[in-house]
Amino acid sequence: EADIYQTPRYLVIGTGKKITLECSQTMGHDKMYWYQQDPGMELHLIHYSYGVNSTEKGDLSSESTVSRIRTEHFPLTLESARPSHTSQYLCASSDLQETQYFGPGTRLLVL
Amino acid sequence: AQKITQTQPGMFVQEKEAVTLDCTYDTSDPSYGLFWYKQPSSGEMIFLIYQGSYDQQNATEGRYSLNFQKARKSANLVISASQLGDSAMYFCAMREGGEDMRFGAGTRLTVKP
Repeated sequence: EADIYQTPRYLVIGTGKKITLECSQTMGHDKMYWYQQDPGMELHLIHYSYGVNSTEKGDLSSESTVSRIRTEHFPLTLESARPSHTSQYLCASSDLQETQYFGPGTRLLVL
Repeated sequence: AQKITQTQPGMFVQEKEAVTLDCTYDTSDPSYGLFWYKQPSSGEMIFLIYQGSYDQQNATEGRYSLNFQKARKSANLVISASQLGDSAMYFCAMREGGEDMRFGAGTRLTVKP
C-alpha cells in the first residue's frame, strides 16, 4: 500500500499570499511528481524530480517552484497566489515499475 | 498529438453488470507501460492495474482486467460485477521509454442501482 501524504487537504487563501503545499512519502521512492488538475479534467504535469537535488519543469507552465532536499519530501511553493491558481494539486511518487502512487490531493481556492 | 485517447466522456452501467472503458494509445516505442487509475469524487487517484508492453497475458486485479490488444494499440479496462462504489472518473495512462506518464482525458462512470 502506498504511503504518500499531502497537506493541507483544502486551502482558501487571498490573492498575493505565498503558499507551500506539502508532500511526503515513506516508500523511499526516488521519483516524485506534481500535477495540476481542474475538476473532472485531465492531469497536467507541472514538476517532477528524479531524486535529491533534482527538479524539472513539466509540460504545463507553472509559476510554482519545487525543491527536493530530502528523498521523502517534495514541497511546492507559490510565491504569489492568484485566482488562476485555483485548482487541485496532486503529488505522486513512483516505484521501479514506474507505477505512480498519488497522495490525496490539495484543493486550492484563491480569492 | 494525443498519446492517450479515451473516447467516452461518460458511461452508465447497471449494478452487477460488467462495463468496458475504452483507451487507445499512440507510441512507436516497443517498451511501454499502461496504467488505469480511479478517481472518486474525493479527488485522490487510486492505482488499479498495470500492463507492460511485453506482457503476454492480460493483466487482472480482482474485478478489474485489462483487455490489451497490442496491434490495435488499445488497453480497455473491464470492470466485472459493477458496484455502486465504482462510480468515479477513470483515467488511462501510458509511460514510454524515458518519457513522463501521459494521462487520457478520463471517463466518468456512473453505476445505477
